[in-house]
Amino acid sequence: AQSVSQHNHHVILSEAASLELGCNYSYGGTVNLFWYVQYPGQHLQLLLKYFSGDPLVKGIKGFEAEFIKSKFSFNLRKPSVQWSDTAEYFCAVNTYNTDKLIFGTGTRLQVFP
Amino acid sequence: GAGVSQSPRYKVAKRGQDVALRCDPISGHVSLFWYQQALGQGPEFLTYFQNEAQLDKSGLPSDRFFAERPEGSVSTLKIQRTQQEDSAVYLCASSLRRDRASETQYFGPGTRLLVL
Repeated sequence: AQSVSQHNHHVILSEAASLELGCNYSYGGTVNLFWYVQYPGQHLQLLLKYFSGDPLVKGIKGFEAEFIKSKFSFNLRKPSVQWSDTAEYFCAVNTYNTDKLIFGTGTRLQVFP
Repeated sequence: GAGVSQSPRYKVAKRGQDVALRCDPISGHVSLFWYQQALGQGPEFLTYFQNEAQLDKSGLPSDRFFAERPEGSVSTLKIQRTQQEDSAVYLCASSLRRDRASETQYFGPGTRLLVL
């Protein structure tokens, strides 16, 4: 069965620090990969997604993620975080013929000014 | 132009009560998903509709859970004889789903269910 692992459960950073959140998945076939964000009091919204082509994907608000097939990873990065990036971040995967998303347990990011 | 809406936003039920949770997807979206999110966890898939057809209900935890989308638009998730372990946030998502599973799923605000 497919699964997604997010090893960082809680990350605390100061503004302007760089961010990298880990995401690993288990599935041997073709996958689509997603990062969703949930700001306090708001609903889940898409940050970025990968389904084919350039493995380096750029999303909203300066976020990017790199798909490394050999490592089954899709880590999320941002060179300089802001206080407004405080949120919970979820990595998710689905496959070519399975629409349902499999989510990781999430990473809570706190950014202090 | 509105996003996915869900009602009620909060529901408190006594153990054994039946509850019904409603989802209004984005207009024109073919696919509709229900997920369950327990405290401190990521969302877990419950069931999936393409138009009015329920194509996957493998995530429904028991036969007390039932979902429908009779006209291919609004969907209702019903939980019969609620138990305390049903307490969670129930999320609905919709997508265009023309041909690809890579279509973005747009999520609603969720219904927070507390069973006492």
